[in-house]
Amino acid sequence: AQTVTQSQPEMSVQEAETVTLSCTYDTSESDYYLFWYKQPPSRQMILVIRQEAYKQQNATENRFSVNFQKAAKSFSLKISDSQLGDAAMYFCAYSPYTSGTYKYIFGTGTRLKVLA
Amino acid sequence: EPEVTQTPSHQVTQMGQEVILRCVPISNHLYFYWYRQILGQKVEFLVSFYNNEISEKSEIFDDQFSVERPDGSNFTLKIRSTKLEDSAMYFCASREDSYGYTFGSGTRLTVV
Repeated sequence: AQTVTQSQPEMSVQEAETVTLSCTYDTSESDYYLFWYKQPPSRQMILVIRQEAYKQQNATENRFSVNFQKAAKSFSLKISDSQLGDAAMYFCAYSPYTSGTYKYIFGTGTRLKVLA
Repeated sequence: EPEVTQTPSHQVTQMGQEVILRCVPISNHLYFYWYRQILGQKVEFLVSFYNNEISEKSEIFDDQFSVERPDGSNFTLKIRSTKLEDSAMYFCASREDSYGYTFGSGTRLTVV
């Protein structure tokens, strides 16, 4: 079965510091997508960053970057220069190509607190 | 920026009643989804919809659930006879290509 594990239920970071959120996944597929979504208190799911498994280069979006280790099935999110607005629940998601529907399998989430 | 719109934002219903959750996906998107998030738990896939039919559904999506696209713009999730355990946040999402979904802001369903 395809599973996504986020082992850190909660993390804290000082404003302007850097934090890394962990995600591991289990799959026998070779082609898939990985995503990080942010869920602030408003509960909306907001796409932060995505990574295609066939790309070796790690994705970056401004202050957000990933460390994608395909062999280790690891997909961590690094947030640099943390801001108060980054406080939210962060979900890692896996989506296999072969499903055809591109459904997501989510992890259980990591709650990020940003301390002023 | 285009949005996925969900209504209502919060619905309270009596156990055993039927509810319809409504979504307006982004107009040029072709793939539509419903996900559920029970409070404090992870987001779970319910169903995907493409070309006016269900393309995949999860084991959660039993006979009590149905989806339809009645008029080419709205995308609805119906729960026929609600149970207490149906209380959750329900998210609609749509996508154009494999880039990633756009989620709506969700409907909080409370069954009493």
